[in-house]
Amino acid sequence: NAGVTQTPKFQVLKTGQSMTLQCAQDMNHNSMYWYRQDPGMGLRLIYYSASEGTTDKGEVPNGYNVSRLNKREFSLRLESAAPSQTSVYFCASSDRDRGDYEQYFGPGTRLTVT
Amino acid sequence: DAKTTQPPSMDCAEGRAANLPCNHSTISGNEYVYWYRQIHSQGPQYIIHGLKNNETNEMASLIITEDRKSSTLILPHATLRDTAVYYCIVRSDNAGNMLTFGGGTRLMVKP
Repeated sequence: NAGVTQTPKFQVLKTGQSMTLQCAQDMNHNSMYWYRQDPGMGLRLIYYSASEGTTDKGEVPNGYNVSRLNKREFSLRLESAAPSQTSVYFCASSDRDRGDYEQYFGPGTRLTVT
Repeated sequence: DAKTTQPPSMDCAEGRAANLPCNHSTISGNEYVYWYRQIHSQGPQYIIHGLKNNETNEMASLIITEDRKSSTLILPHATLRDTAVYYCIVRSDNAGNMLTFGGGTRLMVKP
């Protein structure tokens, strides 16, 4: 099993450009999440999806949109990137049927907006 | 979810036990204590969780005080690969599946 995979690993955008971060998991998990981590800080939840077809806002949703494409894939879109969105983005998944006790994280996407 | 307080940094000698404290004085009865760690530049990794009783797995032990207001994560024989930021998180089952990460404790294991 690959676990949680994210693409791309690195990205540089100019202010105003758009992009989509991709996340996929092969563990048949129901729940998926997007977090961001700014330098020297803990992770903050952007959006999550408790099951296929549902999404909910987390702590810092402004400037982002998400799509739960199917059970495996959960994408994060920046419509008009801003320098404040420079961060490392982590995707995670968990098994709701087991109580969501353990979240499995991907390797992260390092995004720089100039 | 209850807030947690952790020391910003700690050192530990290789081969010795690392004891990482966490205060969660406002924890509610249905809230679990979770520990995750993040090794440099990687995604966080689940370590252990508990509600009331002490817990042990292949990675660590979790000791929760009887009043549940604090806990300690114990790495019994720390290695250099245990150098990481350790996050103590308190979460209830009905918290929308969210984990709220604070600043964590940066553990440095030294030879």
